[in-house]
Amino acid sequence: DVKVTQSSRYLVKRTGEKVFLECVQDMDHENMFWYRQDPGLGLRLIYFSYDVKMKEKGDIPEGYSVSREKKERFSLILESASTNQTSMYLCASSLRYRVWGQETQYFGPGTRLLVL
Amino acid sequence: DAKTTQPPSMDCAEGRAANLPCNHSTISGNEYVYWYRQIHSQGPQYIIHGLKNNETNEMASLIITEDRKSSTLILPHATLRDTAVYYCIVSPAMSAGGTSYGKLTFGQGTILTVHP
Repeated sequence: DVKVTQSSRYLVKRTGEKVFLECVQDMDHENMFWYRQDPGLGLRLIYFSYDVKMKEKGDIPEGYSVSREKKERFSLILESASTNQTSMYLCASSLRYRVWGQETQYFGPGTRLLVL
Repeated sequence: DAKTTQPPSMDCAEGRAANLPCNHSTISGNEYVYWYRQIHSQGPQYIIHGLKNNETNEMASLIITEDRKSSTLILPHATLRDTAVYYCIVSPAMSAGGTSYGKLTFGQGTILTVHP
């Protein structure tokens, strides 16, 4: 079974703090994703990475950065946390196929971040 | 991106089949239909996906109409643990680094409640 783990289930931080959210997958997947989930807004893609050291902006990258130094690990960084970044953060990974549309994403359990 | 329309909520008796509908009338010929579910406080879980033909796996069956404008997810014998939000997603491709892979846009989904 694919396993995607996230460093924390719950996190409380103060405004202005630098926050690191870590995601690790054990299935040698090329693609990794960071989403945030908010009531009424569904899941929104923040950043994704299709290879080590590669990253692409998703739909809402402002206020976030990412790092992918190793294939199995994808980090989301909040450089200066703000209260509007209070959310559930979900990491996902998938294999990369040449024929698009086949990529099933596997999700981690999520991190609930509260910024005070 | 093709949009999907799902009923906001459905009920089902334990042991009966749960049939969850989804409309995707603007789907294009090379877009897949994906189904995920999210049990409370967990990350989304992949269920099944398909292009044109009906599909079945150990979790569910996916019936896609011939014109591909709608689909139905069938849980053949629903249990209490199937209570979750079910998302129907049409997956377009993104391109990066010379390859393409799917983008998942989660809507509001259908809250399925399985009753004893």
